[in-house]
Amino acid sequence: AQSVTQLGSHVSVSEGALVLLRCNYSSSVPPYLFWYVQYPNQGLQLLLKYTTGATLVKGINGFEAEFKKSETSFHLTKPSAHMSDAAEYFCAVSGSGSARQLTFGSGTQLTVLP
Amino acid sequence: EPEVTQTPSHQVTQMGQEVILRCVPISNHLYFYWYRQILGQKVEFLVSFYNNEISEKSEIFDDQFSVERPDGSNFTLKIRSTKLEDSAMYFCASTPLVNVEQFFGPGTRLTVL
Repeated sequence: AQSVTQLGSHVSVSEGALVLLRCNYSSSVPPYLFWYVQYPNQGLQLLLKYTTGATLVKGINGFEAEFKKSETSFHLTKPSAHMSDAAEYFCAVSGSGSARQLTFGSGTQLTVLP
Repeated sequence: EPEVTQTPSHQVTQMGQEVILRCVPISNHLYFYWYRQILGQKVEFLVSFYNNEISEKSEIFDDQFSVERPDGSNFTLKIRSTKLEDSAMYFCASTPLVNVEQFFGPGTRLTVL
């Protein structure tokens, strides 16, 4: 079975500061990992994904994440926060079923302070 | 850019009524999914659909739920007799292949009174 834990349901950073959103996972199969962002009243948009290969993956809007197998982590970072980054962020791991459905974490609400 | 669409954006219904939520996945995609998000909670998998049949379903997806791809473009989720606890945002997603990005629709907010 797969599970995802996101530490910190709410994170606040100042504009221009480092963003770090934490995600730990457990998986019975080699994991495929995803970060999605949800803006108010909108659907889920993919930020980035790890499937195989390079463990540092870059996504849209300046975000990146590093897959660390030994730590079962896939933390999301951005060097400099922008006001437009305020949103809810979900980490997800694909399942072991034939359709590899996603198991999501409980989400982290990012607030960016001026 | 192709996108997943969902209708309606908001559905209000009385407890015990049947509702059908509609989705149009991206046209060349083969795998289709429904997820739900109860207010303030995590996004949860309901069901996946491939080759005109259910491939996986969660414990949430009990006998009151059904899915259908009636005409090769639409993908529907039916809730036969709605309960108060079915109130949630329902997301449809599709993907051309497993293990690549799932593309999500904007969601349908279902409110059961």
